[in-house]
Amino acid sequence: LAKTTQPISMDSYEGQEVNITCSHNNIATNDYITWYQQFPSQGPRFIIQGYKTKVTNEVASLFIPADRKSSTLSLPRVSLSDTAVYYCLVGDRQEIIFGKGTRLHILPSKSTFGDGTTLTVKP
Amino acid sequence: DGGITQSPKYLFRKEGQNVTLSCEQNLNHDAMYWYRQDPGQGLRLIYYSQIVNDFQKGDIAEGYSVSREKKESFPLTVTSAQKNPTAFYLCASSIFGQESSYNSPLHFGNGTRLTVT
Repeated sequence: LAKTTQPISMDSYEGQEVNITCSHNNIATNDYITWYQQFPSQGPRFIIQGYKTKVTNEVASLFIPADRKSSTLSLPRVSLSDTAVYYCLVGDRQEIIFGKGTRLHILPSKSTFGDGTTLTVKP
Repeated sequence: DGGITQSPKYLFRKEGQNVTLSCEQNLNHDAMYWYRQDPGQGLRLIYYSQIVNDFQKGDIAEGYSVSREKKESFPLTVTSAQKNPTAFYLCASSIFGQESSYNSPLHFGNGTRLTVT
């Protein structure tokens, strides 16, 4: 059974490109690599799938090196709504096994906030 | 609109009672799956079915039972034998056949949150 390894969590800022890497050293010849996104209290949603080189859709890109022992999900210009758990799966049998995924937390861009104003009200 | 419907969204039961979670799909998919998710954890496979009247145990089948009498439906029964049934339950389906094999993407429902007290 092909096992995958991903970082447990990642933080990034709005507007940045985010790359999440997944290791799958035991990937079999016929296996595809599939990524899902899950928001709290919802079912996972399919993002992208690939076999080799690069795949791109309207949501993300998937980079797979020639040895296929790893893959990188790339999310361009993330927004706060991209905060979610991302799962990397390698299919090799009827049983589709999910790991714990990568918890991605998108922070507001520093440029979103000004320096603030201190208001003091005297009695 | 094609999709997977899980009902109810929230379910509360007393300990010792069996409870059945519903899962229906109109995607004409052959394969259906049940997963369990605990807080902060990934998904664990309970049961799966590739064709009508056939199903296989996943990693954590103990205390659960399923049936697949129709292609569209794959209900899950959480029995009183399940030691810790409180969890978020997710049903999924995918195309399954000789050509597509095991790489077909899963389509998930929005889950049923079961609380047993």
